[in-house]
Formats: sequence, structure tokens, C-alpha cells
Amino acid sequence: EAGVAQSPRYKIIEKRQSVAFWCNPISGHATLYWYQQILGQGPKLLIQFQNNGVVDDSQLPKDRFSAERLKGVDSTLKIQPAKLEDSAVYLCASSPRGGPTDTQYFGPGTRLTVL
Amino acid sequence: GIQVEQSPPDLILQEGANSTLRCNFSDSVNNLQWFHQNPWGQLINLFYIPSGTKQNGRLSATTVATERYSLLYISSSQTTDSGVYFCAVVTGGFKTIFGAGTRLFVKA
Repeated sequence: EAGVAQSPRYKIIEKRQSVAFWCNPISGHATLYWYQQILGQGPKLLIQFQNNGVVDDSQLPKDRFSAERLKGVDSTLKIQPAKLEDSAVYLCASSPRGGPTDTQYFGPGTRLTVL
Repeated sequence: GIQVEQSPPDLILQEGANSTLRCNFSDSVNNLQWFHQNPWGQLINLFYIPSGTKQNGRLSATTVATERYSLLYISSSQTTDSGVYFCAVVTGGFKTIFGAGTRLFVKA
């Protein structure tokens, strides 16, 4: 079974530029999560999708971050415009149903550096 | 919101030693998981353990939900155990909250 795929693995941009990350979850998984992990900290949930609907986006900075999950499969996370404090690893995870007993499976992450 | 605190923040062990990592949480939760993040950044689920005790090889975990804590035991540590260990809880609203992690380094 293929795992969660993410691309690109690394991205370097200047502040005020735009960037987009892509995630392909495990086949058949209904729930998709985007996390931000700043160096030295635990992952912070940005947005959670159940199929193609948003379950929780309370910690997503909506003035600059957006995310979509077309057809309930792949997802993209966009930052426009980027700030220095957005430098972090962006992790995508998926789970079969999204219930409280689900195990989340993580992708390798995208490391973003904003200069 | 729920607070998740892990201790110790850093731990250095000699290969072969045993250790206990702790996770305290401030309110009732639906789910608790332990993850290992390897030096390359990959997060791997170790245990789903909202209550009780589980064992998997040299690792075991115990959660006492009524007292709001969980423990991860590592026995006979190996250099490959190095990395960061995270505790994550799922709230009543199905939101996942991670602790800050315990950074483990196992010396050969």
C-alpha cells in the first residue's frame, strides 16, 4: 500500500512570494489533514478535510493560507503572500474515516524556507 | 483548549538503557497516540492508546485516562530509537493536538 505522497520536498522562496504544496493521501482514506511544524515544536493542525468538506480550519491563517481538496482525493495548500514566520515543515496526513479512533498516517513533509 | 505537556524535553541515553517518557493532558480526550519522528522528519505512529496498556517489542505504553496521563516505555534502547517522540490527543471536537515532544539521543 502506497503511503501519503507530498511534493515538493523542499522549497525556498522570498517573503511576499506565493507557494503551493500538494498532497496525495492513501487510497480510500476519507480524512486529510495539513499540519505546520515549526522547528523545535510539535505539529499544529491547520485544516482537516472529511472527503472534500472542511471539518476544522480554526488555526488556518485565512488571510494568507488557503487549502482545497478536489473530488475528495488530492489536496493543495497555498500561502500567498509568504512571511518569514511561515518557514516550517508542512505535513500532510490521512486517516480512513476521521473518527477519534483513527490512526493518522503522515507524509514526508515539505520543508519551506522563506527568506 | 486542551494542553498537552511532555517530559522530559530532552533525554540522552547510553545504548541498552531503559527510559520512560511522560505525557500529561488537561482534559478528557477521545484518543491518544504516540508518534516517533525520525531524524529525517518522518512521523511514524507507535501506539493508539486511549486507555490501558499495549506492548510492541521493546516499546510499551500505558494511559491512565482518569488521571490524564500516558507513559511510553523504551527498553534496551538502540541508536535507531533516536529522534523525537510526540504524544497527540484527539479532543471531543475531533481536533488533534500534539505535545512539544521529547528529543531522545541514544549513544552507541
